[in-house]
Amino acid sequence: KQEVTQIPAALSVPEGENLVLNCSFTDSAIYNLQWFRQDPGKGLTSLLLIQSSQREQTSGRLNASLDKSSGRSTLYIAASQPGDSATYLCAVSSTGGGADGLTFGKGTHLIIQP
Amino acid sequence: DAGITQSPRHKVTETGTPVTLRCHQTENHRYMYWYRQDPGHGLRLIHYSYGVKDTDKGEVSDGYSVSRSKTEDFLLTLESATSSQTSVYFCAISESMTRKSTDTQYFGPGTRLTVL
Repeated sequence: KQEVTQIPAALSVPEGENLVLNCSFTDSAIYNLQWFRQDPGKGLTSLLLIQSSQREQTSGRLNASLDKSSGRSTLYIAASQPGDSATYLCAVSSTGGGADGLTFGKGTHLIIQP
Repeated sequence: DAGITQSPRHKVTETGTPVTLRCHQTENHRYMYWYRQDPGHGLRLIHYSYGVKDTDKGEVSDGYSVSRSKTEDFLLTLESATSSQTSVYFCAISESMTRKSTDTQYFGPGTRLTVL
């Protein structure tokens, strides 16, 4: 059974810092990995999707990397801003014979201090 | 933003009553999903659909049923609600053309359900 772990569970940094969020998964047989952002009381917003054949994806100040063989992904946020404060979720789509859908980590709660 | 709406957005009900949550999309995407989000557990898949009348179970399907009679609507039913089903329910869609989630999933705003 696929399991996804996110470290740290919470992070508080001053505005302007570069930071890295970590995600690990136990089964490397994946189609893709997605990073989401969730604001309090809101739905999930897709940030980046990395296909299993890709090594990284970039969108603005965000860069996500994928090392499928080691079961790891990182989300790099450059020049953090208070508006980046949210919970960041990592999820994988597995190729195994089980149910379709995504397996999620429990998230990293990020606070950017002004 | 992907055109996904969920109704109702909030609901309070009593144990033993039936409850139906609705997800509506305007994107004509093939795949639709229901997840629940609980503190300490994260998001977990309940059921999903890969076409009209084509549905399958997810990780936590016990006590739930689904139906999809039209491409745009995916209904989640709690036949007899229990307090353990108090949660936030999210619908998601994906335009994957294969049998797996190979494309981006887009999420609705969620429904907060409280079972007393």
